[in-house]
Amino acid sequence: AQSVSQHNHHVILSEAASLELGCNYSYGGTVNLFWYVQYPGQHLQLLLKYFSGDPLVKGIKGFEAEFIKSKFSFNLRKPSVQWSDTAEYFCAVTLYSSASKIIFGSGTRLSIRP
Amino acid sequence: DARVTQTPRHKVTEMGQEVTMRCQPILGHNTVFWYRQTMMQGLELLAYFRNRAPLDDSGMPKDRFSAEMPDATLATLKIQPSEPRDSAVYFCATRSGRSPLHFGNGTRLTVT
Repeated sequence: AQSVSQHNHHVILSEAASLELGCNYSYGGTVNLFWYVQYPGQHLQLLLKYFSGDPLVKGIKGFEAEFIKSKFSFNLRKPSVQWSDTAEYFCAVTLYSSASKIIFGSGTRLSIRP
Repeated sequence: DARVTQTPRHKVTEMGQEVTMRCQPILGHNTVFWYRQTMMQGLELLAYFRNRAPLDDSGMPKDRFSAEMPDATLATLKIQPSEPRDSAVYFCATRSGRSPLHFGNGTRLTVT
């Protein structure tokens, strides 16, 4: 069955620390990959996406993610986090088809200590 | 900036009552997803439509949940009868082609 795994449920960091959140998926075939962020009390917003081409994608607010096909991974990174990055982060995967469902991981809650 | 519009934002109801949640997709978006978010289960896909036709509703409890798209500008999710375990935030999200999903602000449902 198709699935998305985010192994870190809650990450606590200090400001200026580096961040890496893991995302692994189990899909056969060509995939599109996304990271979304949900600030407290808000809806999900797109951080970045990967469709094809350069496996290192850059998103908003200094976030980036690297698609490693051989590892079925799409980890999210940020070199220096800020207090305002406190939020929940969701990885999502879909097959390369406009009619495919989009499956989300269980989310990683990120707490930043000021 | 185009937005997905969901109503109501909050709904408190008693067990056994019918609940209807509405979603207005972004103009031109032809695929509509319904997700349910809870602390315990995270973000679960309930159902999705493409060009108003249901593609997958396997995530929905069939006996009490129903999802429809009466026209291209309206998607509905109904629960009848509602139960306390249905308490959650329900998100509608839409896309055009293979574009990323755009989410609405959600309906926070509380069933007492």
